[in-house]
Order: sequence, then structure tokens, then C-alpha cells
Amino acid sequence: AQSVTQPDIHITVSEGASLELRCNYSYGATPYLFWYVQSPGQGLQLLLKYFSGDTLVQGIKGFEAEFKRSQSSFNLRKPSVHWSDAAEYFCAVWGDDKIIFGKGTRLHILP
Amino acid sequence: GAVVSQHPSRVICKSGTSVKIECRSLDFQATTMFWYRQFPKQSLMLMATSNEGSKATYEQGVEKDKFLINHASLTLSTLTVTSAHPEDSSFYICSASGGEAIQETQYFGPGTRLLVL
Repeated sequence: AQSVTQPDIHITVSEGASLELRCNYSYGATPYLFWYVQSPGQGLQLLLKYFSGDTLVQGIKGFEAEFKRSQSSFNLRKPSVHWSDAAEYFCAVWGDDKIIFGKGTRLHILP
Repeated sequence: GAVVSQHPSRVICKSGTSVKIECRSLDFQATTMFWYRQFPKQSLMLMATSNEGSKATYEQGVEKDKFLINHASLTLSTLTVTSAHPEDSSFYICSASGGEAIQETQYFGPGTRLLVL
């Protein structure tokens, strides 16, 4: 069965530092992969998605993610985080006619 | 574009009552809508998938008689929690997809916080 693993429950980085959030998936075929962000009081917002093509995907708010089939990974990166990036981040994979979400990574930003 | 709204954003009710949550796609036609439940500090769990004009497809373990879903139009789906109990307290989130391909991007509503006393 399809699954998504986000190994880090919490990540703390200083404002201005680089960020990488890890995501590993399990899926038999070519996966459709997503990263969503959830801020308090707001709905999930799509940051980026990978369906096919270039394995380095650019998203909104300066985020990017790289699909690595050999590692079954789709890690999210940002070169310099802002205090407003503090939120919950969910990696997801499409499978069995539904989106399967990871458990999320809470990002904390130090001033 | 691609805005999804939910109403109400927060509801408190007594045990045994029924609560209806609305999910609307404001600027696109949603051929498919999804209902999720999110427990504190946990992931979103899909409850059911509904296509306009047809019965919803429920995930395993979700009681279809307790969580009634109606998708009567291309812009509105409702989730009714019947005879709510404290264990039904949760954060309910809907999403909508308008693409022809089922794996099209889903757009999420802001969620509804339900507290059953």
C-alpha cells in the first residue's frame, strides 16, 4: 500500500538559514507527489507538486523540492527561511484514487 | 482562483445533536469533493470522496450512517455528523478538485472545528 513518511516531527531553524524537510514515499508506480503547508486558522495550501518531467520542482514562496526515484524521496527545500514560514508541512502522494498524507513536520523559526 | 470555503468555521454542540458542515468551491466547478478529519498534531485522514450527483465513497472504518455526505451541485458538498458524541470532536476539512484527471490538485477549505459537549 502507498505510504508517506516524514521522519521529523519538529524542525527548528534560525531565520535566514536554509531548510530541508524530508519525505519518503512508498508507491509501486510513478508517483504524483505534493507538498502542502498548513498555517493556524488557514486551510492547506499547495506549495508544489510533481507529476512528471524535471525532477527539481519549483513552488510558491521560494520553496523547491527534488524527486529522487532511487531514494524514494521528495524533500522540500528553501535557501533562506522567513519567520512567516513557521507552520506545519505535509508531504503527500496520490495513490488508490486518493491523496495519502504524511504525519507532518512542524517548522519552528528562531529569530 | 481555486478558493474553497467552509461554514461554519467553528461549532459547539450538545451530545446527540446533528451538525451540518458546508463546503463550497467559490470560483470553479468541483466534480469531486473530499472530506478529511484531522486529529490534534496528526495527519489528515480521508473520510470519504464524493462526486456530484452520486453517492459518496467512504473509507474503511468510516460510518456512512453517522457521517452523511451530500454533493448535490458542482459547488456545494455537505457533511452532516448525526447524533454527535464527544469522540466526534475534531477538525474537519474538505477539499475540491475540478480537473478531469482524478489526481488533479485538490484545493482545501480552511476547516471546521467541531466540539461536542
